[in-house]
Amino acid sequence: DAKTTQPTSMDCAEGRAANLPCNHSTISGNEYVYWYRQIHSQGPQYIIHGLKNNETNEMASLIITEDRKSSTLILPHATLRDTAVYYCIVRPATSGTYKYIFGTGTRLKVLA
Amino acid sequence: NAGVMQNPRHLVRRRGQEARLRCSPMKGHSHVYWYRQLPEEGLKFMVYLQKENIIDESGMPKERFSAEFPKEGPSILRIQQVVRGDSAAYFCASSPRQGLGEKLFFGSGTQLSVL
Repeated sequence: DAKTTQPTSMDCAEGRAANLPCNHSTISGNEYVYWYRQIHSQGPQYIIHGLKNNETNEMASLIITEDRKSSTLILPHATLRDTAVYYCIVRPATSGTYKYIFGTGTRLKVLA
Repeated sequence: NAGVMQNPRHLVRRRGQEARLRCSPMKGHSHVYWYRQLPEEGLKFMVYLQKENIIDESGMPKERFSAEFPKEGPSILRIQQVVRGDSAAYFCASSPRQGLGEKLFFGSGTQLSVL
């Protein structure tokens, strides 16, 4: 089972920041938080990942709370092309195989 | 550096036939993961392989499904005697190493349709 919970869907106005929350209250100290997105029926696309510190790259920012029980993905200026399903993933360290377990994700719709 | 290559992009089979899906990982990647996505559902883990070894097949159906990643050539996901319920998108992902901080790179998938 996925170790994360996300809202089912969200809307965001074009040009505004999209803030996608994720709860991962059972995360272990050495487990990373990953974000991927899937546009329509394409393969999942890597966005960003982090362990403790906030991270930023050309696509997004990742804010992780101090207790690491939740995080927020921020798309600073959402465009129509950012409409996708966004998956927050914590890779379980106990399995030994480090497989990604996808939940149901958040369906983000960017509105013109 | 080419990304993860999957072929065919679309595959149509009749019930009872065999389906072979191929995945060439990114150059230098020796870890391959297969996922299945049913219509309107999320991705479900199937199997994780390293070169010549199956590491985790906990998501594979017990019958008709098999996977391999030979020393040379692509990884193959094989489905024997396909049924309509096998119709889905099958995604392959690769990574260069095993580790909690490693990210996976996904291919564009193979859409299998069983008539």
